[in-house]
Amino acid sequence: DIVMTQSPDSLAVSLGERATINCKSSQSVLYSSNNMNYLAWYQHKPGQPPKLLIYWASARESGVPDRFSGSGSGTDFALTISSLQAEDVAVYYCQQYYSTPHTFGQGTKLEIK
Amino acid sequence: QITLKESGPTLVKPTQTLTLTCTFSGFSLTTTGVGVGWIRQPPGKALEWLALIYWNDDKRYSPSLKSRLTITKDTSKNQVVLTMTNMDPVDTATYYCAHSRGGGVDAFDIWGQGTMVTVSS
Repeated sequence: DIVMTQSPDSLAVSLGERATINCKSSQSVLYSSNNMNYLAWYQHKPGQPPKLLIYWASARESGVPDRFSGSGSGTDFALTISSLQAEDVAVYYCQQYYSTPHTFGQGTKLEIK
Repeated sequence: QITLKESGPTLVKPTQTLTLTCTFSGFSLTTTGVGVGWIRQPPGKALEWLALIYWNDDKRYSPSLKSRLTITKDTSKNQVVLTMTNMDPVDTATYYCAHSRGGGVDAFDIWGQGTMVTVSS
């Protein structure tokens, strides 16, 4: 299995400030034949199902605000929220879909400072 | 509009078999590339990927649970069923089914609301 490790486990950021969550995979999730990274990011709020934010490591899902961006390649990735809003408080997960099982990271809890 | 809804028992006894049904609408599981997966989240813990079935009946399982899981589809009913044998209290979790759109993107773009399953005698 590919192990996904997120850092930090929790993060407190002031409203309007930048938040960055990191995700590292135990092996590359870059598929050489199409040069695509098989990496997704989700936002999970209490009492709701997870919401897909980013796929292909940096492609924003339709309807997701442009303050959310994904970056990275190979084994190291990041989700950045450029200007934190109150509604962004949630747990964020990365997931690789390069090979099954399509493992998730352990989650990063994002709070307001 | 794609929707998915999980159904099944809320309480099962240890050693029993859990059967969960995902009933969906707004897409067909005969469309090339499309898949439906199951994911669970124990209370206070992370998401765990369990299984995925594709439009062509290709089935993938979490290796750690493979001996206990079976995923099937009924395209005429727009349903995907997950069975998990020999349930244990550690299997207590919210179980989600979710849609993957294909085109190489096996991420889950639409999720059901989830169903909480408690394993207790």
